[in-house]
Amino acid sequence: AQSVAQPEDQVNVAEGNPLTVKCTYSVSGNPYLFWYVQYPNRGLQFLLKYITGDNLVKGSYGFEAEFNKSQTSFHLKKPSALVSDSALYFCAVRDVQSSASKIIFGSGTRLSIRP
Amino acid sequence: KAGVTQTPRYLIKTRGQQVTLSCSPISGHRSVSWYQQTPGQGLQFLFEYFSETQRNKGNFPGRFSGRQFSNSRSEMNVSTLELGDSALYLCASSLASQGTYGYTFGSGTRLTVV
Repeated sequence: AQSVAQPEDQVNVAEGNPLTVKCTYSVSGNPYLFWYVQYPNRGLQFLLKYITGDNLVKGSYGFEAEFNKSQTSFHLKKPSALVSDSALYFCAVRDVQSSASKIIFGSGTRLSIRP
Repeated sequence: KAGVTQTPRYLIKTRGQQVTLSCSPISGHRSVSWYQQTPGQGLQFLFEYFSETQRNKGNFPGRFSGRQFSNSRSEMNVSTLELGDSALYLCASSLASQGTYGYTFGSGTRLTVV
């Protein structure tokens, strides 16, 4: 079975500081990994994905994530946070090996950037 | 190109009624998936349709059903509504089945059951 965990319900960061939103996953095979962001009363917006290749993935709005197979993690990072980054962030995973698998989402982490 | 369109945006229904939600995917996308989002349960997968066939189904009761038309538009139906069905229902469109390369989400339909 596949699962994904976001251990922090909320992350608070001062504007200009680096930010990290954590994500760990469990799949029986290889993973496809995704990060999405959700603003109030909106759907989810795609930020970045890891399918294969370079472990460091760059995405939209200056975000990046590092795939770490040994630690089964895919943490989202940004070198310098903006107030406009405040939103709800979701990590998602799909098991490549399973033909019947679907994308499942973590519980979400609320990111709050203070001016 | 146009994004994923969900209608209506907001809906208020009474317990016991039934409701139909609509989703038009991005042009050329053949996969449509539906998710239920609630504060307590997060994002829960309902089902996926690909080329008019249901490819995958989540753990929801039979009151939740869906279909996909030949133009890839999808509808989701919930019968005999319960208070617990109040949620944001999100539709996600994808070029490949099972969202292999990621989804594009609509803005959602906010369903309130009273």
